[in-house]
Amino acid sequence: ELKVEQNPLFLSMQEGKNYTIYCNYSTTSDRLYWYRQDPGKSLESLFVLLSNGAVKQEGRLMASLDTKARLSTLHITAAVHDLSATYFCAVDFDVNRDDKIIFGKGTRLHILP
Amino acid sequence: DTGVSQNPRHKITKRGQNVTFRCDPISEHNRLYWYRQTLGQGPEFLTYFQNEAQLEKSRLLSDRFSAERPKGSFSTLEIQRTEQGDSAMYLCASSPRVAGPSYEQYFGPGTRLTVT
Repeated sequence: ELKVEQNPLFLSMQEGKNYTIYCNYSTTSDRLYWYRQDPGKSLESLFVLLSNGAVKQEGRLMASLDTKARLSTLHITAAVHDLSATYFCAVDFDVNRDDKIIFGKGTRLHILP
Repeated sequence: DTGVSQNPRHKITKRGQNVTFRCDPISEHNRLYWYRQTLGQGPEFLTYFQNEAQLEKSRLLSDRFSAERPKGSFSTLEIQRTEQGDSAMYLCASSPRVAGPSYEQYFGPGTRLTVT
């Protein structure tokens, strides 16, 4: 079964702190995406990770991919209130030469001022 | 604006009515996806097209749902005999699949359906 699990599902943290969101998936893939969604809005692409060991950074967010462990992390450094949103990882599984994209349930991040 | 667009943005309908949503993808993207998202959940895959061909349909897509992409450009998603359980945000996304490994999807703003 193709599964993508995120944890935690909800995170409340103080401004200035660091934290990591985890995304585990059930079977081999080397294509993983992170998205941000604000309440009532659509999804905004944050990172595309396409190989084992890939690391990408944008501002206070850094994403990495370990395909052997089937794990991606989204690290938040010195959080600010503007980063409050729901973050989704999505994994692109190659099934019978076709790709099937499965989303995690999302991590709802609330940053307290 | 060259992003993915969806119309309408909001739709309120009575149970039993039919509704149709439209998605215009980014012009050079040949893949188009439909997802459904309910409150507190991630997007759930419904179906996708490569050009005009519908390549996969989720089991979530009951026989009341139909999607088309007649000329490989815009797509429509129709729900017949709507039920309250159909209330959700319907998201459309497009991606290029010509060359290269990235199938990054670009999402539209969504159509929020409320069935009363």
